[in-house]
Amino acid sequence: SQQGEEDPQALSIQEGENATMNCSYKTSINNLQWYRQNSGRGLVHLILIRSNEREKHSGRLRVTLDTSKKSSSLLITASRAADTASYFCATDGYAGNMLTFGGGTRLMVKP
Amino acid sequence: SQTIHQWPATLVQPVGSPLSLECTVEGTSNPNLYWYRQAAGRGLQLLFYSVGIGQISSEVPQNLSASRPQDRQFILSSKKLLLSDSGFYLCAWTPGLFYTFGSGTRLTVV
Repeated sequence: SQQGEEDPQALSIQEGENATMNCSYKTSINNLQWYRQNSGRGLVHLILIRSNEREKHSGRLRVTLDTSKKSSSLLITASRAADTASYFCATDGYAGNMLTFGGGTRLMVKP
Repeated sequence: SQTIHQWPATLVQPVGSPLSLECTVEGTSNPNLYWYRQAAGRGLQLLFYSVGIGQISSEVPQNLSASRPQDRQFILSSKKLLLSDSGFYLCAWTPGLFYTFGSGTRLTVV
């Protein structure tokens, strides 16, 4: 079973708008990670947030973590057409040090 | 620098035929290695992982097997493919906290 579940499953926005994706998980974690997957390609690591952190930034990415609600959000600001991809959250608490991935959010940014 | 290679990129195989997908990692030693499968438009399902040569753990009972004959080589195999084996197969390794993925193999069983 999947530890993380992303919401929404699909998101379509215009270039320049912000995109917010949410992830919920079930068990305690050490850290939560976000990955990006371009169509037909492997996943690329974007950002990691530890369980004792509440917010983290990397360029146009902002990740928040609420361990009391077992949820995280990924915000992409000022989106670009090149941000079109699927985004996955992954957690490490369900199966030891191994990562368990959610079902992903498919983001489409229209130029 | 560390790199991960996965091949082939695409594969079309008839039902009942054998399968061998290969993944190699360069620039590191004793990596943890993983095989994932991704159905169309879905998340990743962990199939196998390995923490060392000859050490394979299976997460899901299935028609597939994995082997690690060398430290940086991870092979996914099947003796007889089923239609349900179709999917996108991804190899990954971890230097620590996060995973680095190969470019994937698109397998279509016909």
